[in-house]
Order: sequence, then C-alpha cells, then structure tokens
Amino acid sequence: ETGVTQSPTHLIKTRGQQVTLRCSSQSGHNTVSWYQQALGQGPQFIFQYYREEENGRGNFPPRFSGLQFPNYSSELNVNALELDDSALYLCASSPRGGYMQWTFGPGTRLTVT
Amino acid sequence: AQKITQTQPGMFVQEKEAVTLDCTYDTSDPSYGLFWYKQPSSGEMIFLIYQGSYDQQNATEGRYSLNFQKARKSANLVISASQLGDSAMYFCAMREKGRSSASKIIFGSGTRLSIRP
Repeated sequence: ETGVTQSPTHLIKTRGQQVTLRCSSQSGHNTVSWYQQALGQGPQFIFQYYREEENGRGNFPPRFSGLQFPNYSSELNVNALELDDSALYLCASSPRGGYMQWTFGPGTRLTVT
Repeated sequence: AQKITQTQPGMFVQEKEAVTLDCTYDTSDPSYGLFWYKQPSSGEMIFLIYQGSYDQQNATEGRYSLNFQKARKSANLVISASQLGDSAMYFCAMREKGRSSASKIIFGSGTRLSIRP
C-alpha cells in the first residue's frame, strides 16, 4: 500500500511568483486536505477536496486554490507569493468518512524570498 | 469555535522514563474526536492515537495511551518507557466537522519532546 506522496520536496520562489505543489493520495483514499505549517506552529487547514470539488476551506485568501483529479491526486496553487507563505505544506488523504484515517505526506517546504 | 491548547513548548525526559504531554480542548460539539500526532524533523505527521468523545475507555496503542478526562476537557498523551526515537514534535488535534460533511483537523501549537540518553 503506497502512502501519500508530495512533490517537490523543497522549493524556493521569489515574492510575486506563482507555485504549484502536488500530492498523490494513498490508494483507496478519495478525500484530500491541504495544510500550511509555519515554522514553530501547528498546521493550519487550507482546504479539502472530494470528488474533484472543494469541500471546505479555512481562513486563506483566494490566491490559494486547488484541484483534485479523477485519480484523486491533488494540486495546491498559490499566486502572488508573499514572504509569509514560506512554510511546510502538508497534504493528507482519507477514505470518505474515514475521519480517523487521515494519512499525511512528507510535505513540501516552500521558501519565498 | 474549537480550540486546542498545548501549554508545554518543550520537555526533556530521561530515556526509559514515562512522560505525559498535556492537551486541553474546547468545543461545543457533543461529538468530536481527538488525535495525537508525532512530527519528526523530516516533517511527516505520524498518527499515534485517537479518542472518540463517546468512547468509554481511554485509547491505548502500544506504548501510547491517552488520558481522556471529558469533564475537564483534557486529552493528555502518556508515553511509557520513552526511547531516544521518541524525540520529536507532538501535536494534539481535534476533528472538526464543517459544511458539506467536510471534516478538518485543528492542531495545537505542539510540544517538542527531547529524550536524554
């Protein structure tokens, strides 16, 4: 059973640029959530996708957007990057209704300079 | 609004000793779930243990147990016989059910546990 994978592992971008982060969910999982974890803090919920539609969103501006594909993989897109967007971005997948079964990926560490 | 509070930013424990990591929570939802996750320096969140609000017994998973005191709204993690590999950040978290049946996890600020040899 393959776990959650994320790419890239690390990324350095310049303020104002756009970035796309990718996540492949665990086999059998059809729900994906994205979290932002700033240094020294707990993860913050960005949004969740189910059946290729956004199914819940945290307090993040519209420049944070996402996609889910038919194979349940997902992308997180961030436009007009700001310095405060520097963080570890975590993807988690779950079978629908499997609220105990969230599996997290290793994360993508984004640095905005 | 739901909230998780972890008041111990860091802890040092001698190897083989037991350690308790504190967690209090706040919610008005009668049905909720509480988690503990371990995050090593690699960054990946590793699930340790889960406690449902209606579970009658405290959850246990190997060396991990959750001391669930519902009236006090606390869900402390107990690690017995600590090992060097237990050194990591530990997060207490709560499942919050949002609109359209979406469920998200709310995390505390974490406790950095360091095990001394």
